[in-house]
Amino acid sequence: GQNIDQPTEMTATEGAIVQINCTYQTSGFNGLFWYQQHAGEAPTFLSYNVLDGLEEKGRFSSFLSRSKGYSYLLLKELQMKDSASYLCAVSDSNYQLIWGAGTKLIIKP
Amino acid sequence: IAGITQAPTSQILAAGRRMTLRCTQDMRHNAMYWYRQDLGLGLRLIHYSNTAGTTGKGEVPDGYSVSRANTDDFPLTLASAVPSQTSVYFCASSDVAGVTGELFFGEGSRLTVL
Repeated sequence: GQNIDQPTEMTATEGAIVQINCTYQTSGFNGLFWYQQHAGEAPTFLSYNVLDGLEEKGRFSSFLSRSKGYSYLLLKELQMKDSASYLCAVSDSNYQLIWGAGTKLIIKP
Repeated sequence: IAGITQAPTSQILAAGRRMTLRCTQDMRHNAMYWYRQDLGLGLRLIHYSNTAGTTGKGEVPDGYSVSRANTDDFPLTLASAVPSQTSVYFCASSDVAGVTGELFFGEGSRLTVL
């Protein structure tokens, strides 16, 4: 079966750095996405990785290793507004998205 | 403001009733999707449409139907609602069929079936 695993919840301190991991087992691979979802709101796109390596976009970076079926989202200089759920999703061989259950990130002052 | 509009935002429904969730986009995207989101689970695809006039079944299609008469509209119908369909429903769209790019989501429709 297809599976996306990510931690259920993480806590970090304002101004610090946090890494949210995602491992996947899917039938085929056509890219990995990270989305941010604030409570009660719609998911919004953060990043897309299809090749191995690190993609940096401001305070957020996303890393992919296809051989290991592994990705992480790195958030630097954490702000209170970064408190949200972070969703990992993989586009499979049929270009359908398989979603993880999401990681709830709690930022403490 | 360009984007996706869903209606209603929230609805309480008696079991056995018929319900249609509306979704309209003004971005001229070809592909549209309906997901449900339940606590502790990832987003699950109900139905999708790669282009106007075509639809396909996702991971959890039973009890739901969709239509895509034109590019902009993609309504989701529950023919006879059951309590297990209590969920938050998100409509989404993408520029191309087959997910290699960003999905744009509506604000969601919270449905409670009693």
